[in-house]
Amino acid sequence: DAGVIQSPRHEVTEMGQEVTLRCKPISGHNSLFWYRQTMMRGLELLIYFNNNVPIDDSGMPEDRFSAKMPNASFSTLKIQPSEPRDSAVYFCASSLVASTTDTQYFGPGTRLTVL
Amino acid sequence: GENVEQHPSTLSVQEGDSAVIKCTYSDSASNYFPWYKQELGKGPQLIIDIRSNVGEKKDQRIAVTLNKTAKHFSLHITETQPEDSAVYFCAATLRASKIIFGSGTRLSIRP
Repeated sequence: DAGVIQSPRHEVTEMGQEVTLRCKPISGHNSLFWYRQTMMRGLELLIYFNNNVPIDDSGMPEDRFSAKMPNASFSTLKIQPSEPRDSAVYFCASSLVASTTDTQYFGPGTRLTVL
Repeated sequence: GENVEQHPSTLSVQEGDSAVIKCTYSDSASNYFPWYKQELGKGPQLIIDIRSNVGEKKDQRIAVTLNKTAKHFSLHITETQPEDSAVYFCAATLRASKIIFGSGTRLSIRP
């Protein structure tokens, strides 16, 4: 299996632009998670889906952030408009089932820089 | 609120020596404690985990211990090697599928 796939790996954009990050979970996994990693705040869960349905989006920082999962093999995280403080590494992870004891597998991340 | 505290934030050990990283958690309902290793430019990768029904688990040079009463868990790496250099994160489950991560430990192995 190829593991969790994220694109792009690096994104540099200017403040005010729309940014879309993409994720393909491991085939057969039913849960998908979006995380943000910064030096100041560490790894933070933004939102997670179970069977393509958003379950908990309490970690989404503002209305500028939105996430979708139109099917079992694809998810997007969109920031519109982007701001310099959104600069971070964004990770997508997937797990087989949505349970408290199931392993989450992380993708390689997208490093976002907003100028 | 619920949190996971991790210590130390940086750790430097001589190659061949042991390294220990400690974490505490606040939610007594937590029942799953994974440890992740993150190398530069990569995503976190699971290296070992422990569930609340056991007190210790070992996988070759890596072991994890759990004390549910004290809400402590620790990662032990023996016979450290240069490839062990990375950032290590502990984590604990909250509810549903949510996991909260510690702040990370940057481990350096001195040759």
